[in-house]
Order: sequence, then C-alpha cells, then structure tokens
Amino acid sequence: EVQLVESGGGLVQPGGSLRLSCAASGFTFSRYWMHWVRQAPGKGLVWVSRINSDGSSTSYADSVKGRFTISRDNANNTLYVQMNSLRAEDTAVYYCARDPPIDHWGQGTLVTVSS
Amino acid sequence: QAVVTQEPSLTVSPGGTVTLTCGSSTGAVTSGHYPYWFQQKSGQAPRTLIYDTSNKHSWTPARFSGSLLGGKAALTLSGAQPEDEADYYCLLSYSGARVFGGGTKLTVL
Repeated sequence: EVQLVESGGGLVQPGGSLRLSCAASGFTFSRYWMHWVRQAPGKGLVWVSRINSDGSSTSYADSVKGRFTISRDNANNTLYVQMNSLRAEDTAVYYCARDPPIDHWGQGTLVTVSS
Repeated sequence: QAVVTQEPSLTVSPGGTVTLTCGSSTGAVTSGHYPYWFQQKSGQAPRTLIYDTSNKHSWTPARFSGSLLGGKAALTLSGAQPEDEADYYCLLSYSGARVFGGGTKLTVL
C-alpha cells in the first residue's frame, strides 16, 4: 500500500525556519517525482515545489522561490522541504504527493507562522 | 506565473449533469498543460480524479470524465450523487511549474 506521511509542522515565528519531511513507503520512491502542495486555512490548493526522481531538477512557485528548498533522500525514501524566512502567509497545511501521475497524497502537516 | 481560473461555485441537481471548466491566462489550455482534476471534501486530503486531460485512476467513479472544451480543460459529472458535493481543483503544467485553479465549490441540491 502506498503511504506518504508528512511531519515536521508546528508553530514558528515570522522570519524563522522549519524543515518538513514526507516519509514514503509501499512503492519504489526513487522512480517518482514528488511535489509539495499547501493549503491555507479555508483557502484553495497552491502548488509549492517539485523535484524529479534523482533530485537533479527542481521547480518552485514564485511565492517561495529563494526561501524554500526541496530535496530528497532516495536511500531513506524521504522527501524534504526546507523553509526559511517564513512569513504569516506561509501558514498552511503542507501536503506531499507523488508523480507521475499525481495520484497518492499524504494527510498533510500544519505549519503556523505567528508571533 | 500564469493564473488558472475556475468557476467559484456551481450547483447541480441529484442525477443531473454539470461541467466544470479550467482556463489559463496564457491562452488556450491544451493537452500539453497535462490537466489534472482533484476532489477535496471538507477536512480531507485531495483525491486525484483525472490526469493528463482525460485519464482516470482506478478509484475514479465512471460518472466523472475529463476533456478539452472551447480552449479550456473540462470536468463533466454525469448523474451527480450527493457524495459528489465537494471542492474541485484543476492543475495545469507550465514548463515544469504547476499552477492550481482557485477551485469550484460544487453543491448537489
């Protein structure tokens, strides 16, 4: 069974940093691209970033470019996103999803940026 | 980045048919945008219904179908059920980056 489990969310002050993880199981992680998607409370889905299967290619939404870094550890079946210079508008549930095609999603981890 | 547009809300009668659309600020939506459709119910993670314009996953009910219609991606629900009441999001690909639409709140009433 494919499983994606996000962790690392929590409360952080504006300007702070946080690293989220997405633990993958039930499939050959190294064969898939991966995405991070977020959803602010009561708002819609927003694509954040994606990484290719070997980690050599990444892409970011303009809103996080230069502040967020996506990475992966294929040996340990884990996806990461390092989030720096966090702002109140980064407050959201963060989901990871595998691709292609985008099919399975994790349940999300909540990040709250507030003083 | 491009802006992807969806109807904010739609209503369909039980058993009825409704079409949700997904447009792009850059012009016509094509198969090269690899359109996706996702369903999200309150308090749940999104669920992928359609990928690459019209392909279904094993869990996608047969009453959902995807297409290109009038320069937009479209999701058609034929024979709406009460359990189809949810938010629906499209996703388009732009040379590596992806952009979600703002979502359509579908009411079955």
